[in-house]
Amino acid sequence: RKEVEQDPGPFNVPEGATVAFNCTYSNSASQSFFWYRQDCRKEPKLLMSVYSSGNEDGRFTAQLNRASQYISLLIRDSKLSDSATYLCVVAPGQAGTALIFGKGTTLSVSS
Amino acid sequence: GAVVSQHPSWVICKSGTSVKIECRSLDFQATTMFWYRQFPKQSLMLMATSNEGSKATYEQGVEKDKFLINHASLTLSTLTVTSAHPEDSSFYICSARDLFRTGDSPLHFGNGTRLTVT
Repeated sequence: RKEVEQDPGPFNVPEGATVAFNCTYSNSASQSFFWYRQDCRKEPKLLMSVYSSGNEDGRFTAQLNRASQYISLLIRDSKLSDSATYLCVVAPGQAGTALIFGKGTTLSVSS
Repeated sequence: GAVVSQHPSWVICKSGTSVKIECRSLDFQATTMFWYRQFPKQSLMLMATSNEGSKATYEQGVEKDKFLINHASLTLSTLTVTSAHPEDSSFYICSARDLFRTGDSPLHFGNGTRLTVT
């Protein structure tokens, strides 16, 4: 089983749509969770951290279910500029250790 | 905010030559930096963990004699791809974590180096 698995893409949605991405992780001792965004041929950029209680940042909502080892990202009112690859990222434990990346899910928002 | 600078952004080299990539943390100290590699349509794969003042830790399958890592100061780590071959062509990204920042401290990434070996 891969350490971090994400929904296969691509997701093709019209502007204004709501889209959800799912992710599962295998290491139950994982400490921190993030969603990163990566544009084509660019480095990943942090989109948001994911907290146990769930958190929202504008149109983006992230949720974590530790019991199921499941993370989600919800994007409401999709914009053309949301088109990118979204990476589910997990910190396996101790501070200072590398993050583990999922393969990413590609989103394409069209007008 | 914290910034990680990576240089060069892209490089084209001939097979058999060596290429050095620099990674600098600009406004924080990084005792540890990470080197990732990403092939097209693949996820970022950790190659090695660079530790200031000591030897790097390499992931399984990554040749330490081919990918030389030096982390001589708290703000600079270098990756040298020795005797590069076309199969080494990839997107190399360095990153660092600001351990002195409270709360979440995700990785800060350099802008990556696209290496093409002809």
